[in-house]
Amino acid sequence: QKEVEQNSGPLSVPEGAIASLNCTYSDRVSQSFFWYRQYSGKSPELIMSIYSNGDKEDGRFTAQLNKASQYVSLLIRDSQPSDSATYLCAVIGSSNTGKLIFGQGTTLQVKP
Amino acid sequence: DAGITQSPRHKVTETGTPVTLRCHQTENHRYMYWYRQDPGHGLRLIHYSYGVKDTDKGEVSDGYSVSRSKTEDFLLTLESATSSQTSVYFCAISDTLTEAFFGQGTRLTVV
Repeated sequence: QKEVEQNSGPLSVPEGAIASLNCTYSDRVSQSFFWYRQYSGKSPELIMSIYSNGDKEDGRFTAQLNKASQYVSLLIRDSQPSDSATYLCAVIGSSNTGKLIFGQGTTLQVKP
Repeated sequence: DAGITQSPRHKVTETGTPVTLRCHQTENHRYMYWYRQDPGHGLRLIHYSYGVKDTDKGEVSDGYSVSRSKTEDFLLTLESATSSQTSVYFCAISDTLTEAFFGQGTRLTVV
C-alpha cells in the first residue's frame, strides 16, 4: 500500500465549475498535509497546507482534512483554464525527521 | 525564489557508469530531499536529509546513495546507472516543514 494515494485522473471539468481532488494516506499519526501544483515541465509549488481537522480556505481553494478517515481533499471553485495542471498531495508522517511523501498526482483539465 | 540550484540540468550517461547529481542551497534550510518523477508515479522520495550527515532512505532508494557533508550541498549518486533510472530528478529544501521549495529539476537519460 502506498503511503499517499491519489486518483491519477485526468479529471476534466468545465470552466467555472468546482474541481474536487482527493487523497488518502496510510500513516494514522501524520500531522502535516499539503497540496502542490505542478504545471507541465515545471517544478511543484505549494498552494495549500492544512494541519487540523476541518476546512481551510484561501481564495478559490479549500483544503479539507479528516484525520479519522485519513483523507485530504482540495476543492477549486470557479475553475479556470489556468488551473489545468497536476495536483500533488503530500504528507509528513509520524517521524520527526521531516520525511515528506507525495502521491502520484491528479491531472486536472479545465475546459473553456 | 528560494536559492536552490540543481546541477547538471541535463545529462546523458551510459549504463554502468557512476553519476552524481548536486543540489546546492543558499537558504540554510535544515531539510533536503531527492525525488524522482516518472509518468504516472508523481514524486517518489529517494533519500532525504534532516541535518548535516543525517540522512535516511525514501520509497525508492535502491541503487542510489546520498551525501550531505555541509548544510548547503546534498549529493545524489547513482553508483552504476541503469536504464530504469532514466527520470527527472528534483531536489527540494525545507526549513520549518511548512513548505518545501523545489529546484528546477535534472533530466537524466541512461542509454
